[in-house]
Amino acid sequence: NAGVTQTPKFQVLKTGQSMTLQCAQDMNHEYMSWYRQDPGMGLRLIHYSVGAGITDQGEVPNGYNVSRSTTEDFPLRLLSAAPSQTSVYFCASSYRDKLNTEAFFGQGTRLTVV
Amino acid sequence: SQQGEEDPQALSIQEGENATMNCSYKTSINNLQWYRQNSGRGLVHLILIRSNEREKHSGRLRVTLDTSKKSSSLLITASRAADTASYFCATLTSQVVSARQLTFGSGTQLTVLP
Repeated sequence: NAGVTQTPKFQVLKTGQSMTLQCAQDMNHEYMSWYRQDPGMGLRLIHYSVGAGITDQGEVPNGYNVSRSTTEDFPLRLLSAAPSQTSVYFCASSYRDKLNTEAFFGQGTRLTVV
Repeated sequence: SQQGEEDPQALSIQEGENATMNCSYKTSINNLQWYRQNSGRGLVHLILIRSNEREKHSGRLRVTLDTSKKSSSLLITASRAADTASYFCATLTSQVVSARQLTFGSGTQLTVLP
């Protein structure tokens, strides 16, 4: 099983450029989420989705957009990249209706904005 | 703001010794989970303890939860060099699916010396 797949693994952007980080899962999980990881900060929730067509903001949503048109995919869009968005981004998925269940993470996308 | 805080931030031990990491959190939880992250990789789920449980074991892992103190500890017994990684606690809050979030602490970097 592939699990959670993120692409690309590495990306360098110039300030003001836009890009989409891709996330796909093959476990039929309804719940998907995006985190960013900065040194000493742990993981902070950006956006999450409890099912196709439903998204909501997490702790640090500014500068990011998401959509969820299918159960499998949950792309994260940076509309106008800023150096403050330099970070490692992780996508995660889990069963929505099981309270005591684990989250599965992708391998991460390391983004540098110059 | 982060829900969980790990202590210590860094821990260095000899192979064969036990490693103990602590996590404190702020609000009531549904469950608390521990994850491991090897350098440059995604997070991997280790163990989940429900809010009505006090202790749980999985192989060389032992987790305790004290909801009155809002704290948890992770004990790794007979550590190995392969246990070298960052360890994160994460708390799941809210019974309401649409508001459910997994919130991470800042992590403990464990180094096991051969």
